[in-house]
Amino acid sequence: ETGVTQSPTHLIKTRGQQVTLRCSSQSGHNTVSWYQQALGQGPQFIFQYYREEENGRGNFPPRFSGLQFPNYSSELNVNALELDDSARYLCASTPASGRTHNEQFFGPGTRLTVL
Amino acid sequence: RKEVEQDPGPFNVPEGATVAFNCTYSNSASQSFFWYRQDCRKEPKLLMSVYSSGNEDGRFTAQLNRASQYISLLIRDSKLSDSATYLCVVNRNTPLVFGKGTRLSVIA
Repeated sequence: ETGVTQSPTHLIKTRGQQVTLRCSSQSGHNTVSWYQQALGQGPQFIFQYYREEENGRGNFPPRFSGLQFPNYSSELNVNALELDDSARYLCASTPASGRTHNEQFFGPGTRLTVL
Repeated sequence: RKEVEQDPGPFNVPEGATVAFNCTYSNSASQSFFWYRQDCRKEPKLLMSVYSSGNEDGRFTAQLNRASQYISLLIRDSKLSDSATYLCVVNRNTPLVFGKGTRLSVIA
């Protein structure tokens, strides 16, 4: 187990609604990244947070936003949900220091279905 | 063109077979390279990092050719438990960039 937890496990929403997904990083990890994984595809980078500030963003519209809290837990918010937002959302945390500075530890993900 | 391209798969091989996965990446500024393994409905997990000198971990061997921008993974003596999707991953600064993945099914 990576020690990274996500909630909820599954979620069903309808178009136009808003959703908040949560992630708790492994202890000692101060960087969290969010990825979207559509069925049959590899994960795609959404954004990364470091010490509560956005530290890089992928090709996702502004309706995808995030937060990181002082305890390094994180939220991903998606507004105005679209059918194409149906995917697994993965959170990954990175140690503040470690053997491999780029190693990311993934949580189990949240499966979002938009109807 | 996608930044990381992998063999489309799926690969169906008998137990004991040797299987090779190939991957190319387009951004020469890429700094780090990895193979991740992802089981069905699970999160990706780091299988191994990939170095220019090549590296081996038991039955798994990874190679990197920076000049050709090519990465490979060789699995020898395949086991049923090797059945999974194998993701080629490159990293430059912030994000990990994933390939689409190649699915492997090892058959008894």
